[in-house]
Amino acid sequence: GIQVEQSPPDLILQEGANSTLRCNFSDSVNNLQWFHQNPWGQLINLFYIPSGTKQNGRLSATTVATERYSLLYISSSQTTDSGVYFCAVSRRTGANNLFFGTGTRLTVIP
Amino acid sequence: DTEVTQTPKHLVMGMTNKKSLKCEQHMGHRAMYWYKQKAKKPPELMFVYSYEKLSINESVPSRFSPECPNSSLLNLHLHALQPEDSALYLCASSQSGTGGIGNTIYFGEGSWLTVV
Repeated sequence: GIQVEQSPPDLILQEGANSTLRCNFSDSVNNLQWFHQNPWGQLINLFYIPSGTKQNGRLSATTVATERYSLLYISSSQTTDSGVYFCAVSRRTGANNLFFGTGTRLTVIP
Repeated sequence: DTEVTQTPKHLVMGMTNKKSLKCEQHMGHRAMYWYKQKAKKPPELMFVYSYEKLSINESVPSRFSPECPNSSLLNLHLHALQPEDSALYLCASSQSGTGGIGNTIYFGEGSWLTVV
C-alpha cells in the first residue's frame, strides 16, 4: 500500500510560536486531508488539499502533488492546538479509502 | 460539532459477549467507513460501504461483522472478541465511495472499546 510519513514525530512549542509539519507520500494521490485529533479521540478535518494552497485562520496548508509532499503551517500557536496531527491520502485509482500517516504529536506549552 | 454520530461512546465487553457499535449520518453521504485505532497509532481502515454495498474489507477477522441497513446507518457487530481488539473504533462518511474533487471524509467522535 501507499506509504505516508510525517515529520517531526513530536513537537513541543511555546505558545505564540510558529511551526511547519510535513507529510511525504509514496504514490500519486487524488485525496489528501489534514486532521487534528484532540485528546478525546475526535478527528477534526482541517483541510482537503490534494494540491495547491489553502488557508483557514492561523492554519494553512500546501500540497505539491508532483513532488509528493504536503505541509501544514500553524502560526501563533495556542494551547488548544495541542494534539496529534495526521495527514491522510487515498490513491489516484480505487476507492476513497484514506491511508493515514504516522502523525505529529504537538504540545503547546503556556 | 460532528455530523457523524457514534454510539456508544464507551463499551466494555467480555470475550463471550455480542455487542454492536452504531453510526449515523444525515449529510446525504453515500459512502461510510469503519476505522480502528490503537493507542498511539494512526487509524487503520477496516471496511468501506459504497451505496450500501460492502466495497472494501481490509482482511478484517470475521469476529467483526459490518452492516449497512440504509444509506444513513452503519453498524459494526462484535462477537467473540479478544483483549487485543480493545481500541478506538471510528466511523466516517463521505459524499461518494470513489475519490474525486471535494470528497472530504468526515469522522465521528469514536467508540472506545475495551474487551475484558
